[in-house]
Amino acid sequence: GESVGLHLPTLSVQEGDNSIINCAYSNSASDYFIWYKQESGKGPQFIIDIRSNMDKRQGQRVTVLLNKTVKHLSLQIAATQPGDSAVYFCAEMGMDSSYKLIFGSGTRLLVRP
Amino acid sequence: GAVVSQHPSRVICKSGTSVKIECRSLDFQATTMFWYRQFPKQSLMLMATSNEGSKATYEQGVEKDKFLINHASLTLSTLTVTSAHPEDSSFYICSARRGGGEAFFGQGTRLTVV
Repeated sequence: GESVGLHLPTLSVQEGDNSIINCAYSNSASDYFIWYKQESGKGPQFIIDIRSNMDKRQGQRVTVLLNKTVKHLSLQIAATQPGDSAVYFCAEMGMDSSYKLIFGSGTRLLVRP
Repeated sequence: GAVVSQHPSRVICKSGTSVKIECRSLDFQATTMFWYRQFPKQSLMLMATSNEGSKATYEQGVEKDKFLINHASLTLSTLTVTSAHPEDSSFYICSARRGGGEAFFGQGTRLTVV
């Protein structure tokens, strides 16, 4: 199967600070990207998405940045809260007929009180 | 938002037995569902694409006779792990797409083979 099955890096931040989580994607033909949050023992939860014709999209407390030149995504979380502690994954999808979502390696976010 | 329900959430089975996991889209029809496998501290690995009314498409390296997928209706896909062995112990997650939009994920199934 397709995956980047690396052990998870960890980002530790102080409550109230901003968090930036980075992701490198693999396929230059991918044109839809999503960030997911996964809490222990649960399925991924949608956070925010972005299409390749955009380079920035904002949600509530979250911003996704897309740099297609270097195939890089980032997720910025403002005023990080203890409830934000989880593993975050980026996922990419190509607009072929399969619509498969391929997940990148995740990042564990730990929020210190 | 749309809900995808996965059942069971946890299952323990004896080595050599088969286990069926169900994935249901509760409030929308899903022509395509996806099955993922996740080992501890790792990312989700796509196993197969489940297509309503036709055969599933398996990713390279995934044994189709080991992981049987059936997508009998627009709201239900099942994954059967046949002749399970301890190395099949993992977290299995399904997702379903609504039309051409967002994919929604089930809550996952923790399979432990003893």
